[in-house]
Amino acid sequence: AQRVTQPEKLLSVFKGAPVELKCNYSYSGSPELFWYVQYSRQRLQLLLRHISRESIKGFTADLNKGETSFHLKKPFAQEEDSAMYYCALSGRLGNQFYFGTGTSLTVIP
Amino acid sequence: EAEVAQSPRYKITEKSQAVAFWCDPISGHATLYWYRQILGQGPELLVQFQDESVVDDSQLPKDRFSAERLKGVDSTLKIQPAELGDSAMYLCASSFAGQPNYEQYFGPGTRLTVT
Repeated sequence: AQRVTQPEKLLSVFKGAPVELKCNYSYSGSPELFWYVQYSRQRLQLLLRHISRESIKGFTADLNKGETSFHLKKPFAQEEDSAMYYCALSGRLGNQFYFGTGTSLTVIP
Repeated sequence: EAEVAQSPRYKITEKSQAVAFWCDPISGHATLYWYRQILGQGPELLVQFQDESVVDDSQLPKDRFSAERLKGVDSTLKIQPAELGDSAMYLCASSFAGQPNYEQYFGPGTRLTVT
């Protein structure tokens, strides 16, 4: 079965500290991986996607096919990073879209 | 800036009643998605449309749920009859096309409470 696992439901870090949100996946094939974010009182939105190999708001994510992971990292957390983060995957054709259960990140001032 | 619209924003219904949700995607977006998000969980894809055709409805409980996008623009998701376990946030999203390099844009959601 296709699955996205985010082991941490809650994560708290101090401002300026590094942050890593973990994501592991299982998929029979080569999936596309994404991170979505939902700030308080805002809509769910795309943060970054593996296919673009981009860095958004200081966040990066590396796809490790050997460990089937796509962890989200930022070297110095900011208060405005506090939000709900969802890891997601899709098939190569963009179908079969699966989300993880999410990690709520709180950055402590 | 164009946004995905959904209505109603909140809906309270009694079990065994019928309920319908409406979604208007961003103009020009061919792909439309309906998700269900139960409290404490991530969104679960119910159905994906490419224009007016269903691409994926493998997770749609077809005995009680139905979805349509008759003219390939706006879409309706219906539940009949509603059950207590259907209480959730129902999210609609759209993208220019279905390929992974096209971003999904989400609506504000409809929060359904079944009593």
